[in-house]
Amino acid sequence: QKEVEQDPGPLSVPEGAIVSLNCTYSNSAFQYFMWYRQYSRKGPELLMYTYSSGNKEDGRFTAQVDKSSKYISLFIRDSQPSDSATYLCAMSDSGAQKLVFGQGTRLTINP
Amino acid sequence: KAGVTQTPRYLIKTRGQQVTLSCSPISGHRSVSWYQQTPGQGLQFLFEYFSETQRNKGNFPGRFSGRQFSNSRSEMNVSTLELGDSALYLCASSLRLAGSRYNEQFFGPGTRLTVL
Repeated sequence: QKEVEQDPGPLSVPEGAIVSLNCTYSNSAFQYFMWYRQYSRKGPELLMYTYSSGNKEDGRFTAQVDKSSKYISLFIRDSQPSDSATYLCAMSDSGAQKLVFGQGTRLTINP
Repeated sequence: KAGVTQTPRYLIKTRGQQVTLSCSPISGHRSVSWYQQTPGQGLQFLFEYFSETQRNKGNFPGRFSGRQFSNSRSEMNVSTLELGDSALYLCASSLRLAGSRYNEQFFGPGTRLTVL
């Protein structure tokens, strides 16, 4: 069993919809939780970072971490076609240098 | 500020050969990490270098090695290539400031390695 589980999708939604992406994990030592976005033929870019449990909002994006359930989520409001990409959750214990990634969810926003 | 650069962008090799990939971090960044991305296994951590020393290592065989130079540039080497080594190899750099709880990793575009 992988340390981080993420449904690879693909996920296809209409423009303007609310998108919910999530990951579960098994390692209780994880303290840093990140969401990356990766466009085709590009490297991942950081969207959101959360330390420990709680919520964090940045524009149309909201990240949630529930350490008691070992479950993290990313919500995208008012989704746009430009949000079409692969979304990867990543986690780390102390130092946040060795990242453990989920499989990535391929998301398509249809105009 | 220039981002992380990786060379070459594409590479084709045959089984048994060896390959060296290069990564230039963002100016001022002293930590370089390497990851392997495949459709089956996703993104997996290979190793991290900081101040020319390997600080962290993932679960990869000894055929995978790396080094870092005094200017923070890094290379990774894969010897005796196998078909399963075909992947996108990503490099990420970060400041890794002492006492800093979190250091964002900035990824390069990757090197696409195909082993025939």
